[in-house]
Amino acid sequence: SQTIHQWPATLVQPVGSPLSLECTVEGTSNPNLYWYRQAAGRGLQLLFYSVGIGQISSEVPQNLSASRPQDRQFILSSKKLLLSDSGFYLCAWSPSELAGAPFNNEQFFGPGTRLTVL
Amino acid sequence: KQEVTQIPAALSVPEGENLVLNCSFTDSAIYNLQWFRQDPGKGLTSLLLIQSSQREQTSGRLNASLDKSSGRSTLYIAASQPGDSATYLCAVRTGSSASKIIFGSGTRLSIRP
Repeated sequence: SQTIHQWPATLVQPVGSPLSLECTVEGTSNPNLYWYRQAAGRGLQLLFYSVGIGQISSEVPQNLSASRPQDRQFILSSKKLLLSDSGFYLCAWSPSELAGAPFNNEQFFGPGTRLTVL
Repeated sequence: KQEVTQIPAALSVPEGENLVLNCSFTDSAIYNLQWFRQDPGKGLTSLLLIQSSQREQTSGRLNASLDKSSGRSTLYIAASQPGDSATYLCAVRTGSSASKIIFGSGTRLSIRP
């Protein structure tokens, strides 16, 4: 079976500090990977998605970046955090169309990282 | 532009009641609709996925329906239990790109013992 991991679970960082959140998926190959942010009382905002190693699409211009150094690893980074970066960050995966799955397949989410920027 | 709305934002019912959660979307040209459950401080758990060609999906006490023409989906929960307390989110996919998955803001459900 497939599992998705995120760490850390919680993080408190000062404004201006760097950020690195990691997401890994087990039990599948070449998944589509996603980073979302969920602000308090609001819906999910798609930040980045990736259909393969080194392939990153950005949905929201901001001071965050993403990288996919390995097939099942997705990293969210920032060089300098802003107060507005606080939120709940969720990683998700879905089966890849390249692996034969239909593009409209399910998404599966990780446990999330609660980031507080002070 | 596709918009997904979930009303009410919060709902409280006594244990044992059957209940319906609503999800509406403005553009009926969707590929699928997915219902999720989110417990406080946790990630999203997939409950049901309905493809655009389907009318409903069932899993245990949960039944989700889809009416594309009216832009509506409902999640029916039978014989509610305190463990069903959570936030329920719906998401619609409107295109082949991952950016075309649009989430509602959720309904926070509380089941009173």
